[in-house]
Amino acid sequence: AQSVSQHNHHVILSEAASLELGCNYSYGGTVNLFWYVQYPGQHLQLLLKYFSGDPLVKGIKGFEAEFIKSKFSFNLRKPSVQWSDTAEYFCAVNGASGTYKYIFGTGTRLKVLA
Amino acid sequence: DAGVTQSPTHLIKTRGQHVTLRCSPISGHKSVSWYQQVLGQGPQFIFQYYEKEERGRGNFPDRFSARQFPNYSSELNVNALLLGDSALYLCASSLTGLPNEKLFFGSGTQLSVL
Repeated sequence: AQSVSQHNHHVILSEAASLELGCNYSYGGTVNLFWYVQYPGQHLQLLLKYFSGDPLVKGIKGFEAEFIKSKFSFNLRKPSVQWSDTAEYFCAVNGASGTYKYIFGTGTRLKVLA
Repeated sequence: DAGVTQSPTHLIKTRGQHVTLRCSPISGHKSVSWYQQVLGQGPQFIFQYYEKEERGRGNFPDRFSARQFPNYSSELNVNALLLGDSALYLCASSLTGLPNEKLFFGSGTQLSVL
C-alpha cells in the first residue's frame, strides 16, 4: 500500500540547533516528493519539492532535503533552526506519472525554544 | 492576489444532515483538489478536478461528491453525515494539477458533526 511515514511526531529544539526530520515512503514507481509546512495560524505551504535531477533539494528559509532512492527516504534538514521555524511539517509523495493523489504523512510538530 | 478561499470557515451539523463546502482557487488555476484532515493526521486525498472533470478520487464513500464550475470554483458535498466526518476540509489549487506542481492550500473548513 502507498504510504508515508514520519517518525518524529513532536520535536523540541533550542535555537541554533540542527534539525533533521525523517520521512520514508512506500510507493511503486517514480515519485515526486514534497515537504509542506504549516506555521501557527497559517495555511499549508510548500517548503520544497523534488521531482528529478539533483537529489539534494534546497527550499525556502534555509531548508534542504535529500532524496535517497535506495532508502525510500526524503529527510528534511536545517543546519540552525530559529524560533520562527516553529510549525508543523508534512512530508508528501505522489506518483510522477498519471496519478494526482498526494499522500501525506501524519506530520511533525516542531517547537523551537528561544 | 487573493489566495485560495474556502467557505464557510466553521460549520456544525448533526448526524444524517447534508453539507456543502465551497472553494475558490487562485485566479488562473484550473485544478482544485479536496483533502480531509482529521486531528492528529495528515491531509487525506478526496478528489481532484481539472477543467470540470474528475481526475482522481480517494478512498471515500459515495456520500462524498464534488464538482467544479466553469469559473473553476468547486463544491464538496457530503450526504448523510456521520460523526467520523468531523474534520478540517482543505481545498488546494494548482495551475494544471500535474503531479509535480505546487499545491496552494486554503485555510480550510472545520466541520463538526454532532
